[in-house]
Amino acid sequence: DAGVIQSPRHEVTEMGQEVTLRCKPISGHDYLFWYRQTMMRGLELLIYFNNNVPIDDSGMPEDRFSAKMPNASFSTLKIQPSEPRDSAVYFCASSLADGADTQYFGPGTRLTVL
Amino acid sequence: ILNVEQSPQSLHVQEGDSTNFTCSFPSSNFYALHWYRWETAKSPEALFVMTLNGDEKKKGRISATLNTKEGYSYLYIKGSQPEDSATYLCAVTGTASKLTFGTGTRLQVTL
Repeated sequence: DAGVIQSPRHEVTEMGQEVTLRCKPISGHDYLFWYRQTMMRGLELLIYFNNNVPIDDSGMPEDRFSAKMPNASFSTLKIQPSEPRDSAVYFCASSLADGADTQYFGPGTRLTVL
Repeated sequence: ILNVEQSPQSLHVQEGDSTNFTCSFPSSNFYALHWYRWETAKSPEALFVMTLNGDEKKKGRISATLNTKEGYSYLYIKGSQPEDSATYLCAVTGTASKLTFGTGTRLQVTL
């Protein structure tokens, strides 16, 4: 298996633009997680899905952020409009089962908002 | 909200030294503890998942123990090598699948 795939790997955009990050989880994994890593806050969970259904989005910073999982092999994280403080590395991870199962991380998307 | 603390924040050891670091968490509402190894410019790589009090896991020169009653886990590295240099992250989950990460211990191993 190719592991968790994320695209793009790097994104540079201007403030106010819409940004869409993409993730393909490992085939057969029922859980998908979106994380954000910043110097100030470390690695924090934004939202996670179980069988394509959002379970907990309490980590989503504000209404500018939205995530979808239209099918078992694809998820998006959208920021509209983007702001400089959204600059961070965004990781997607997937796992077979619940919190006692290993989460496998993708390579991350480094987002820079100018 | 779980509060996961790791210590020390950073550690600098010589090649061949053995070392260990700590992860502390609330003992109530505990479900599982994860250790990850995170190299700069890469993604976190899973080392261990532990759930039971007294659990011990080992992978090569790295091992971990878990005490759920007092709320801590130790990660040990025996005979550190330069390639062990990384940030070691601990994450805990309660009854849900949501992982709460500590801020990590940054290990630097020099020759």
